[in-house]
Amino acid sequence: NAGVTQTPKFQVLKTGQSMTLQCAQDMNHEYMSWYRQDPGMGLRLIHYSVGAGITDQGEVPNGYNVSRSTTEDFPLRLLSAAPSQTSVYFCASSNNGAATQYFGPGTRLTVL
Amino acid sequence: KQEVTQIPAALSVPEGENLVLNCSFTDSAIYNLQWFRQDPGKGLTSLLLIQSSQREQTSGRLNASLDKSSGRSTLYIAASQPGDSATYLCAVKPFWNNYGQNFVFGPGTRLSVLP
Repeated sequence: NAGVTQTPKFQVLKTGQSMTLQCAQDMNHEYMSWYRQDPGMGLRLIHYSVGAGITDQGEVPNGYNVSRSTTEDFPLRLLSAAPSQTSVYFCASSNNGAATQYFGPGTRLTVL
Repeated sequence: KQEVTQIPAALSVPEGENLVLNCSFTDSAIYNLQWFRQDPGKGLTSLLLIQSSQREQTSGRLNASLDKSSGRSTLYIAASQPGDSATYLCAVKPFWNNYGQNFVFGPGTRLSVLP
């Protein structure tokens, strides 16, 4: 039981490049979320999904895209990276939207 | 829009001391509140979850209380140990998701327990 896994752990991009952050969970959780963590600002919700095929925007969705084709996977796509997207990105999963959340180890992204 | 604050931002205590971390939220319409621990360079680990109908939850040396009407929660750590050194975050689940908010996180309190 690996819990929530994220790849890569570190990534450096140039402005304008695109990439996909991977997230997978093996707990059969319906609810998955992507957060970004910036110094002094806490975690902010980017996108979330309540089940396969269903996604919705969080508080800071601009510049990011998601899809949920399976229960296990919830990738986050950066369409055209900007320096403002330099952050640590966390994926989380839970049984439902109000239950205990389980977090992945995070991806540290730097956009030059 | 729900907002969460945590005071103090950082705290340093000698080993063995009992301590209290504070969390405040602006809207009392919440489902629950969670306390998390985050070690440097790591993800978050859930410590305690308090439902809106509950007043407190306990796990080992940790006790979390919730006063929904005043918008406050405290995390009490008894007999602190150097291994407790980490950042502690609280998060509330609002009733309403009007601003794209799911769990709303505070900025955290960085705790250092000195041997």
